[in-house]
Amino acid sequence: GAGVSQSPSNKVTEKGKDVELRCDPISGHTALYWYRQRLGQGLEFLIYFQGNSAPDKSGLPSDRFSAERTGESVSTLTIQRTQQEDSAVYLCASSLGGGWGQETQYFGPGTRLLVL
Amino acid sequence: GQQVMQIPQYQHVQEGEDFTTYCNSSTTLSNIQWYKQRPGGHPVFLIQLVKSGEVKKQKRLTFQFGEAKKNSSLHITATQTTDVGTYFCAGPDLLSNTGKLIFGQGTTLQVKP
Repeated sequence: GAGVSQSPSNKVTEKGKDVELRCDPISGHTALYWYRQRLGQGLEFLIYFQGNSAPDKSGLPSDRFSAERTGESVSTLTIQRTQQEDSAVYLCASSLGGGWGQETQYFGPGTRLLVL
Repeated sequence: GQQVMQIPQYQHVQEGEDFTTYCNSSTTLSNIQWYKQRPGGHPVFLIQLVKSGEVKKQKRLTFQFGEAKKNSSLHITATQTTDVGTYFCAGPDLLSNTGKLIFGQGTTLQVKP
């Protein structure tokens, strides 16, 4: 079946512009995660959605970052007034949900963001 | 706060040599997961360990969960160039009591042919 998809695969933007990154999770997965991965670095947790519960936004680095999820489907990560330090790969993952940290996360291919 | 640490950060080996990465948690874990990320790719799930002292094998890869469920290791026997990548361990975020995982920083393996 289809895996997690993300779009765009690459995005080049100018400093100060807003960007929207999209994630389509695996159908039926109620949990969705966003991570940031800078070049050569590990996974930095950003935000977590689980069903209709309030999202866990504890990883968002500043108020320029926000994310939404429509029901249990598509999620959009928005970065306003982008800065060069935002350049990274943004990874989305989904899991079945409700497993309290025992579930496999399935990652999308990521969006490579370059802020000039 | 809860931390998951991995060592070493980088490892360069000659093809055919063995490789081990170690994962240590600041708290006791209900389970630990391992993921592999190939260069330019995304993390892919390898395995989950649940029981104290559990050992699982996948061909040349051996995964172990410590008796105290606070540490884990991944051992690769006779490395091949296809083993190149970054290996991450991850444990559940016990403080948030949600589905979140806390990932280690990863160990990047380079294999010289």
